[in-house]
Amino acid sequence: DGGITQSPKYLFRKEGQNVTLSCEQNLNHDAMYWYRQDPGQGLRLIYYSQIVNDFQKGDIAEGYSVSREKKESFPLTVTSAQKNPTAFYLCASSTLTGVNGYTFGSGTRLTVV
Amino acid sequence: QKEVEQNSGPLSVPEGAIASLNCTYSDRGSQSFFWYRQYSGKSPELIMFIYSNGDKEDGRFTAQLNKASQYVSLLIRDSQPSDSATYLCAVNLPGGGSQGNLIFGKGTKLSVKP
Repeated sequence: DGGITQSPKYLFRKEGQNVTLSCEQNLNHDAMYWYRQDPGQGLRLIYYSQIVNDFQKGDIAEGYSVSREKKESFPLTVTSAQKNPTAFYLCASSTLTGVNGYTFGSGTRLTVV
Repeated sequence: QKEVEQNSGPLSVPEGAIASLNCTYSDRGSQSFFWYRQYSGKSPELIMFIYSNGDKEDGRFTAQLNKASQYVSLLIRDSQPSDSATYLCAVNLPGGGSQGNLIFGKGTKLSVKP
């Protein structure tokens, strides 16, 4: 079955550490997205990509980095520059324009310890 | 910045009643409209989409779109406790810049009381 897979489900980060969240899709979607969700809050866009080797900053890109070396994969690195990284991270994918909506992964919950 | 507005709730309805969720959007160029359901601690799940003015029914769910008024709604008939969740309205606006291709409202929390 086609879908979008995020791993790990839970991740713990020490102060000053970089961590990478994985997102893989087999839906043949051109566009992929990373969102952050804080408790009781809406979705905030971090980065998105519509084509391999190209990506655009969302509203809260500072402290994060991404790569898109393959159409199927869009990993997110939370760097030590992100001062408040504890949150629920959601990856999504869509057709190029998103006219049919997004498909979301199951999410990664990141906690700073 | 394009906007999608929803009443944050919580909206509380008794079991068996009709729940009505509303959403307004700011950009007339929007092409398609979506309702996602998000249970606590889970990811959003697409439950309805609508492209044309009027009503679209799927089981107990009806989506309503009025492009002239820039208004989208979701009706849930015969509400069940399992419908208790946060409902996100999303609007497609290709070329949305730093907001991506879908702009999301902050969600309305629905509570269905047995």
